[in-house]
Amino acid sequence: EAQVTQNPRYLITVTGKKLTVTCSQNMNHEYMSWYRQDPGLGLRQIYYSMNVEVTDKGDVPEGYKVSRKEKRNFPLILESPSPNQTSLYFCASRLLQGDTQYFGPGTRLTVL
Amino acid sequence: KQEVTQIPAALSVPEGENLVLNCSFTDSAIYNLQWFRQDPGKGLTSLLLIQSSQREQTSGRLNASLDKSSGRSTLYIAASQPGDSATYLCAVFTGANSKLTFGKGITLSVRP
Repeated sequence: EAQVTQNPRYLITVTGKKLTVTCSQNMNHEYMSWYRQDPGLGLRQIYYSMNVEVTDKGDVPEGYKVSRKEKRNFPLILESPSPNQTSLYFCASRLLQGDTQYFGPGTRLTVL
Repeated sequence: KQEVTQIPAALSVPEGENLVLNCSFTDSAIYNLQWFRQDPGKGLTSLLLIQSSQREQTSGRLNASLDKSSGRSTLYIAASQPGDSATYLCAVFTGANSKLTFGKGITLSVRP
């Protein structure tokens, strides 16, 4: 089944404790992105990648890192999480520039 | 800067009613527009994608139209059912930063 998977789905952590949210797609897609969704603010792009080893900042990149060492994986790294990073995170992918974007199931992160 | 607006934020209709959800965007230089459905606590499911050169797309009971020059799109749902209850988001893709710019969504409730 074609899909985007994320792990973990739920995470509660404490301020300053490094964490990684994994994202993987099995559709051989070129483009991958990370978004966060917050009440009243909607979905905002954090980082995106157009191909292996090619990443760039989105609208709200502060406090996040990403890497794209393999085409299928695009992990999101929070080196020192803070409470304002409590949010619902989505990974997305698509094949080409103008194609349908597919989203993962989301990761609900709480930083205490 | 592209802005996407969806009004109203919430809508409640009786089962069987035909309904229209509206989406407007400020910059008409879009690549495509995509409608998504989001169930509570879940990921986003793509419903329809309309390329900038197209006027409409249909899938089952759903029909989406695009008027790029006026910066508007509508999602028409025929013969609504309680299972259609969800939040509907529209998003435009301008090609810049490989990102979708989302509206805040319309939460639809279909009463049996």
